Amino acid sequence: AQTVTQSQPEMSVQEAETVTLSCTYDTSESDYYLFWYKQPPSRQMILVIRQEAYKQQNATENRFSVNFQKAAKSFSLKISDSQLGDAAMYFCAYRETSGSRLTFGEGTQLTVNP
Amino acid sequence: GAVVSQHPSRVICKSGTSVKIECRSLDFQATTMFWYRQFPKQSLMLMATSNEGSKATYEQGVEKDKFLINHASLTLSTLTVTSAHPEDSSFYICSAGTGYGNQPQHFGDGTRLSIL
Repeated sequence: AQTVTQSQPEMSVQEAETVTLSCTYDTSESDYYLFWYKQPPSRQMILVIRQEAYKQQNATENRFSVNFQKAAKSFSLKISDSQLGDAAMYFCAYRETSGSRLTFGEGTQLTVNP
Repeated sequence: GAVVSQHPSRVICKSGTSVKIECRSLDFQATTMFWYRQFPKQSLMLMATSNEGSKATYEQGVEKDKFLINHASLTLSTLTVTSAHPEDSSFYICSAGTGYGNQPQHFGDGTRLSIL
């Protein structure tokens, strides 16, 4: 079974600085999808960024980018120029190409200090 | 973009009451919907997978008679917590997907259930 591990329960960053959230996963599949979701205090789940495993190029969405290392099964999220509104719980998630079920990591609580 | 509506957002009721939570996909047909439970400061725990027109698939340890799921159409799935007790108090979230390619699941805003 696939597993997703986020080894950092909590992280903090100063406003305008850069922070990287770690995520590793375990799978025997060669093709799959990876996602980062953000859950602010409102508890709404918001898609931050996604990556297809067959793509070598790292996905980027404005201030958010990923470092996808397929061989190492690592999928870290980098947040540049951190803003107060980035404070939230961040979940890494895995999905097979043949299904729609998501496997979530434990989450990382990000605090942004002014 | 795709929107999933979940209703109600907050429920407070007495022990023994049955509570129904609705999850609707507003602008797309959701062949599959998922129901999650989330405890404070924890990850989402998948309870069941709901497929339109067929029985839901429950995760191990989830009581199907306690958490009734109905997916009668491509835009609506319901979760009924039967004879709810205080230990059922939690945050419940639904998500819906088309099941195609890299399209992500879209989440409802969640339902905070409090059983007194």
